[in-house]
Amino acid sequence: ETGVTQTPRHLVMGMTNKKSLKCEQHLGHNAMYWYKQSAKKPLELMFVYSLEERVENNSVPSRFSPECPNSSHLFLHLHTLQPEDSALYLCASSQHTGTSYEQYFGPGTRLTVT
Amino acid sequence: QKEVEQNSGPLSVPEGAIASLNCTYSDRGSQSFFWYRQYSGKSPELIMSIYSNGDKEDGRFTAQLNKASQYVSLLIRDSQPSDSATYLCAVDILTGGGNKLTFGTGTQLKVEL
Repeated sequence: ETGVTQTPRHLVMGMTNKKSLKCEQHLGHNAMYWYKQSAKKPLELMFVYSLEERVENNSVPSRFSPECPNSSHLFLHLHTLQPEDSALYLCASSQHTGTSYEQYFGPGTRLTVT
Repeated sequence: QKEVEQNSGPLSVPEGAIASLNCTYSDRGSQSFFWYRQYSGKSPELIMSIYSNGDKEDGRFTAQLNKASQYVSLLIRDSQPSDSATYLCAVDILTGGGNKLTFGTGTQLKVEL
């Protein structure tokens, strides 16, 4: 595997379900990110982990819970979601060097909440 | 004022022409600027990064940065139908929580035969 991978690629879940999104980066980077992309809106940064420590939590509802067990893996745990949470969820990674923030994205998980 | 602004388009250019995509940003202290290409239903792909004023060329792509005017652009020469996509401008913006890569809403480019 190369680059950034995400599973599953598509997910349909009910509002009472619990599911998890997985991201893995094979680039040797030290920072990982979760973004939400909704139609006609800019990418919304949700969470940032640098060296496995959460450094950003952009006022995301508690029904989204991130986990970063090591520098290569990132999870997003989902529970009691709302229909407005339906979106493309993107994972990205970067190597923080000074002000360089070249982020590389995974293919995304298309989430539909019914 | 939005932190990163782009014209949503669509921008239509004929095949072989030069496509010019523009982006303005609000933080005068920004140091890092990126262009991503996103095909419909796919994730963003990094195509250019620029950190200094002036032009940076990579194949058919040229990024132009003018920090005094807070303006960054992407030129695509000899546009091809395969260049049809949404182009996202991303800028390193200083926020209350530190520096954050902030994305514009993107410009949709259509290259017509």
